[in-house]
Amino acid sequence: GQQVQQSPASLVLQEGENAELQCNFSSTATQLQWFYQRPGGSLVSLLYNPSGTKHTGRLTSTTVTKERRSSLHISSSQITDSGTYFCAMEGSSSFSKLVFGQGTSLSVVP
Amino acid sequence: EAAVTQSPRNKVTVTGGNVTLSCRQTNSHNYMYWYRQDTGHGLRLIHYSYGAGNLQIGDVPDGYKATRTTQEDFFLLLELASPSQTSLYFCASSDRKQYFGPGTRLTVL
Repeated sequence: GQQVQQSPASLVLQEGENAELQCNFSSTATQLQWFYQRPGGSLVSLLYNPSGTKHTGRLTSTTVTKERRSSLHISSSQITDSGTYFCAMEGSSSFSKLVFGQGTSLSVVP
Repeated sequence: EAAVTQSPRNKVTVTGGNVTLSCRQTNSHNYMYWYRQDTGHGLRLIHYSYGAGNLQIGDVPDGYKATRTTQEDFFLLLELASPSQTSLYFCASSDRKQYFGPGTRLTVL
């Protein structure tokens, strides 16, 4: 079945540093969404980005559909950015179903 | 922003017990989903629906039933709960983007 691989599995940053999170998928994505989850919390949609580059605040996502990859760039990280970031894709053979990666755990320290 | 609510937020039951988890969305999205989240497995899709009366099987459906009674309401039923169903359960609705509820933590003793 379709697979989504995220890297790195975990990341520790000093406050103010930038982060680059990667997502690779095994088949062409018709939909790509990045989510954030605070420990013990729900998933919050950050960006919906099936192709190209999208920005919101300090977040930038770039999805290259042909290369089956997406990235999430977090600039000037803050302690409150700590949590887990998930990438999820919908493929052409799984209409309306998202397949989630395992997540990247981000810790931002002072 | 879409509103998805879940109840109860926490539930403890015993092996063999019956449990119903409820989900309501207020934005008239066609699609609704039930996921479970476990350490080491990420989020896994249990069942989903594209409208009242419709049910689609997800990736880990064994031991679960679901029912979509209205456009707004989607229920997950565990008729003979087992300890392996101890998990964090999320409901979501979708209009292409998925919007998640706050989650229900279920413990089966």
